[in-house]
Amino acid sequence: ETGVTQTPRHLVMGMTNKKSLKCEQHLGHNAMYWYKQSAKKPLELMFVYSLEERVENNSVPSRFSPECPNSSHLFLHLHTLQPEDSALYLCASSQAMGQQGFAYEQYFGPGTRLTVT
Amino acid sequence: DAKTTQPTSMDCAEGRAANLPCNHSTISGNEYVYWYRQIHSQGPQYIIHGLKNNETNEMASLIITEDRKSSTLILPHATLRDTAVYYCIVPTTDSWGKLQFGAGTQVVVTP
Repeated sequence: ETGVTQTPRHLVMGMTNKKSLKCEQHLGHNAMYWYKQSAKKPLELMFVYSLEERVENNSVPSRFSPECPNSSHLFLHLHTLQPEDSALYLCASSQAMGQQGFAYEQYFGPGTRLTVT
Repeated sequence: DAKTTQPTSMDCAEGRAANLPCNHSTISGNEYVYWYRQIHSQGPQYIIHGLKNNETNEMASLIITEDRKSSTLILPHATLRDTAVYYCIVPTTDSWGKLQFGAGTQVVVTP
């Protein structure tokens, strides 16, 4: 148990569906992250939120829409996905954003295994 | 991120020490070295980090060379549960602490 939970753990959706992934952290952290891990590929950072404000969007297609309503919750809204979007989606949190070569320890959730059919 | 180079894979016998190397020859003076691991189909787990001095915690030891161009993560007594992909990461000065994961080293601990 890392203090970061993700739901659902598994999701199968069609290309025309709309679904949302939820992440919740119980650590009192101020920064939250979404990562994507495709099969046999390294983790890719998608979005970063600091104090509920998006500070990073790594050229992610608009069919992925993040939302951070408060410092404990992070959502990833999905719509009209493609089969190549099938991947493990990981949420993480840290005490704060790092600075100049220093990163706060990131705590990861168990991930949501997404399959797009 | 400062480019890190790690071996693709390593085998280690259970109960023996596992020494995982990482090269980061372009590291700058204020950039830390971080190690995470990812057990199959789970989220990554923080292990340890350091700047200049060697560091030790309950999971591992981190040895950083004097010129800081390379480091070694040491798992003192490897167990089967240490089988995982190990990532060496150096957040660059302009990355504001964001982690960029590479391919890492697949460590397999065998009985």
